[in-house]
Formats: sequence, structure tokens, C-alpha cells
Amino acid sequence: ETGVTQSPTHLIKTRGQQVTLRCSSQSGHNTVSWYQQALGQGPQFIFQYYREEENGRGNFPPRFSGLQFPNYSSELNVNALELDDSALYLCASSLELGGYTFGSGTRLTVV
Amino acid sequence: GESVGLHLPTLSVQEGDNSIINCAYSNSASDYFIWYKQESGKGPQFIIDIRSNMDKRQGQRVTVLLNKTVKHLSLQIAATQPGDSAVYFCADLNTGFQKLVFGTGTRLLVSP
Repeated sequence: ETGVTQSPTHLIKTRGQQVTLRCSSQSGHNTVSWYQQALGQGPQFIFQYYREEENGRGNFPPRFSGLQFPNYSSELNVNALELDDSALYLCASSLELGGYTFGSGTRLTVV
Repeated sequence: GESVGLHLPTLSVQEGDNSIINCAYSNSASDYFIWYKQESGKGPQFIIDIRSNMDKRQGQRVTVLLNKTVKHLSLQIAATQPGDSAVYFCADLNTGFQKLVFGTGTRLLVSP
């Protein structure tokens, strides 16, 4: 059973709205990454946080932002939602190279 | 640019057969590769990994082969079971950036 918990599991928002997705990392993991997975595609890297600081970002616009908290939980915020933002958003936590544990994701639908 | 892709979108096999899922990568600097299994409604689950200084690694019923000359990666599943039905992704971990680059995936369908 995965140690990474994401909430909510499903979410429907209207175009132009803002959304916050949450992730609780596996115990002891100090690195968290967020991925966007469109239907039928592989996950795409959004950004990564290490000890509360962003230390890597993929090709996503600034309206995608994040936070990591002292307990290593994390949030993904998306402003001005667009229809193409509809996807499965995955959080992965790790302690060292390659040891990524993924959550089950949040399915976001923008209408 | 870097990319990690798969040759076949869907692979159908009979229970008990051996399955082979292939993957090509383009970044010659890639030095770490991971295979993930993703079932419907779940996140990717780690299967097996391999570093570029190896050409073969075995796990329980799974083997990963790496051919750096042609930039090719494969996942072999022995005695495939219905529970193996899922989408399989290869991913390249950019060790300098800690960023997983996923391919588009191969759907494995196992018939009883």
C-alpha cells in the first residue's frame, strides 16, 4: 500500500477558477514532485520541492505553483484553469535517487 | 531533445506466455532507467530499475535489458498473469535534475 496520500481523489472545476491539490508524503521523504498525466499519456514533470524549496521545474506556465511544508506535505496550485488542464495529477515523494513513491492521484476535470 | 518512447501501444498475450515490452530513449546522457506499472485509477508502481553501467537486471518474474548502443530498453515478464494487465511505462531519471521523463506507455492485456 502506497505511503503517499493525495486529496481530493476527484474534482470538477470551471474554466478560470483556481484549484489546490494536496499531497501527504511518505514518512521520512523530504523530496516531493508533481506530475500531470493527460489521458492516454505518460506523466509529465511539473516541479519538484526539496526541503520546502523548488529545485526543478518542467515546461509549465507560472500559473502552476506549489508549496512544501515543514512536515514535507505539499500543495499544487493552479490558477486561471483551462480546459487542457484536465488530467490526473500525481504526487511522488522520495528520500534518495530513484526511490519515488507515487500517490493514486487527483483526477481534475475542467469544464 | 530528450525523449523516452515505446514501440507498441498495446500488447495482448495469453496467460502463461512471456511478455516483452520495449522502449527507446534518445538522450545519450541518460544513466538511470525505471519501469513502472500503472493500473486503472492508481499511480505508477515501481517494478524494476537499471543503471547505465549494467545491461541486465532481474527481479521476481521480471527482467530489464539495456542496450546503450542502440538506446533501447526492454521489460520481460515471465509467465504473464491476468494481474499483470496494466499500462507499463519506462522512465528516464535525469540524475542531475531528479526529473522523471516518461514515455507514453504500453498497455498489456493478458487473456486467461
